[in-house]
Amino acid sequence: RKEVEQDPGPFNVPEGATVAFNCTYSNSASQSFFWYRQDCRKEPKLLMSVYSSGNEDGRFTAQLNRASQYISLLIRDSKLSDSATYLCVVNMRTGGYQKVTFGIGTKLQVIP
Amino acid sequence: NAGVTQTPKFQVLKTGQSMTLQCAQDMNHEYMSWYRQDPGMGLRLIHYSVGAGITDQGEVPNGYNVSRSTTEDFPLRLLSAAPSQTSVYFCASRADREVGYTFGSGTRLTVV
Repeated sequence: RKEVEQDPGPFNVPEGATVAFNCTYSNSASQSFFWYRQDCRKEPKLLMSVYSSGNEDGRFTAQLNRASQYISLLIRDSKLSDSATYLCVVNMRTGGYQKVTFGIGTKLQVIP
Repeated sequence: NAGVTQTPKFQVLKTGQSMTLQCAQDMNHEYMSWYRQDPGMGLRLIHYSVGAGITDQGEVPNGYNVSRSTTEDFPLRLLSAAPSQTSVYFCASRADREVGYTFGSGTRLTVV
């Protein structure tokens, strides 16, 4: 089983729709979690951290479910500009090093 | 504030050639990493550093060397380029273990 798994998509959704992505992780010792956005042929950019209590940033909501070992990203009122690949990232402390594992990303295409 | 600067943006090498990918950050971040990104495989860690003078291997270190003589700079050296090293390389930095990375804009490397 991969350490971090994401459905690569693509998810094709109409403008204004609500879309959700999940990301599962295999190691229960994972400590911190992030969502990144990556546009085509660009670098990943931090979208938001994911906190245990869940957190919201405008149209974006991130949640963590430690019992089932997944994180989610909800995008409301999708815009054309939301089209990108969304990477989930899991940090886990192993010995003296914090291992950072990236998922392969979920591609979102918002269509007019 | 430039953030993380990578050079060059594009490079074509012949098999067996060596080269150095440059990475510099101006945010006084202690943690720096090199990743490669290949289709369907996500970002994979090559080498990382937790401060000047301290480096260690990541997931796919073979064929690469790094050094960290200053906080700002973290060059990646390809010792003898192979076609399997054709990839997009990203340098990233972060202030501490619990925050997300800031990425450079990447180097697209082709080895022929």
